[in-house]
Amino acid sequence: GAVVSQHPSWVICKSGTSVKIECRSLDFQATTMFWYRQFPKQSLMLMATSNEGSKATYEQGVEKDKFLINHASLTLSTLTVTSAHPEDSSFYICSARDLTGGSRETQYFGPGTRLLVL
Amino acid sequence: EDQVTQSPEALRLQEGESSSLNCSYTVSGLRGLFWYRQDPGKGPEFLFTLYSAGEEKEKERLKATLTKKESFLHITAPKPEDSATYLCAVRTPFGNEKLTFGTGTRLTIIP
Repeated sequence: GAVVSQHPSWVICKSGTSVKIECRSLDFQATTMFWYRQFPKQSLMLMATSNEGSKATYEQGVEKDKFLINHASLTLSTLTVTSAHPEDSSFYICSARDLTGGSRETQYFGPGTRLLVL
Repeated sequence: EDQVTQSPEALRLQEGESSSLNCSYTVSGLRGLFWYRQDPGKGPEFLFTLYSAGEEKEKERLKATLTKKESFLHITAPKPEDSATYLCAVRTPFGNEKLTFGTGTRLTIIP
């Protein structure tokens, strides 16, 4: 299957600082990537859809100015958590849509980034 | 609104004891039902995609089936390494064709 990487795998930061998380599709091009957030023992909650060359689409209740998304190329999307606070501590996971199968596309997930805000 | 419900929430089996996980869905225009496996602290790993009622797919000890209202993930003679959370998700033509996930079934295989 296709491979998606994330960097960093974990990060600890002080309250008020900004943190950038990278998501890369390693062996395929992804015009669309997705960013999820997952709390302990809960399922994945979609935060936003990242489209290459255009603005991201945010889910209801997700602050656009707090979670900045940039999809600068067909293999890279970044999520920046601005002015992070302890309540932003979570497991952030990206996925990339592999369209090589045509209409039968598949989303492949990265390994996740654990963010802890002190 | 699309809804995905998985049951049971948690399942403990003895090694070799076969069972099934259920994923019930209510969507407008299904364009794929996905099964993923997630280990603690990791991202979901793709297992299967099913597109139409009656379709079946197999991989090692796992077999996924699909009807018009639900999907089953059958686990035959499981091993401890099959312990994980199994997530079901549906894709529809709406909203950037995003995936809507169920809450998952946490499977534990006891040696």
